[in-house]
Amino acid sequence: QKEVEQNSGPLSVPEGAIASLNCTYSDRGSQSFFWYRQYSGKSPELIMSIYSNGDKEDGRFTAQLNKASQYVSLLIRDSQPSDSATYLCAVADFNKFYFGSGTKLNVKP
Amino acid sequence: ETGVTQSPTHLIKTRGQQVTLRCSSQSGHNTVSWYQQALGQGPQFIFQYYREEENGRGNFPPRFSGLQFPNYSSELNVNALELDDSALYLCASSFTGRDGYTFGSGTRLTVV
Repeated sequence: QKEVEQNSGPLSVPEGAIASLNCTYSDRGSQSFFWYRQYSGKSPELIMSIYSNGDKEDGRFTAQLNKASQYVSLLIRDSQPSDSATYLCAVADFNKFYFGSGTKLNVKP
Repeated sequence: ETGVTQSPTHLIKTRGQQVTLRCSSQSGHNTVSWYQQALGQGPQFIFQYYREEENGRGNFPPRFSGLQFPNYSSELNVNALELDDSALYLCASSFTGRDGYTFGSGTRLTVV
């Protein structure tokens, strides 16, 4: 059974701080890695995708991938109250997509 | 550009019945996948269709089946409904599957 593990949280950070979200996965054959954000009662929305080792930056978001350690992370700089949501890590091989159970982030004003 | 649309938004069924959920993919997307999301959990992958063929399946029993049509819309069928099938069912579409999926707003299924 392929697994994607995330700390369920909640992770609480003050407004303006850096939020760090982590994810580990079990399948070394995984090829694509994604971070989704899900607000309560809404469907997931794609924030970042990353495919190769290293960092990928998009605005306030940075995704980091370490395939040797089977580890993916998401950094959110200058966190805002509107970033409060559940963040889902997703891992894909060729034709299957696996989500973690998500980390709930609370950004306090 | 239209997004992914799902119908119905809410549905109540009785245990043992059958249900069909529908999804219209985002324009230009030829890959669709379906997920079951229980409260407080991440989405669980049910299956994926590419150009009308199932090409990936998660750990769900055969009573969960699907179809993808030539216009890339799709259906999820669940037979012999069980109480544990109560969940949010999400449809998502993609151009390749590799570049991430765009999700619909889901169908909330309640089995009583």
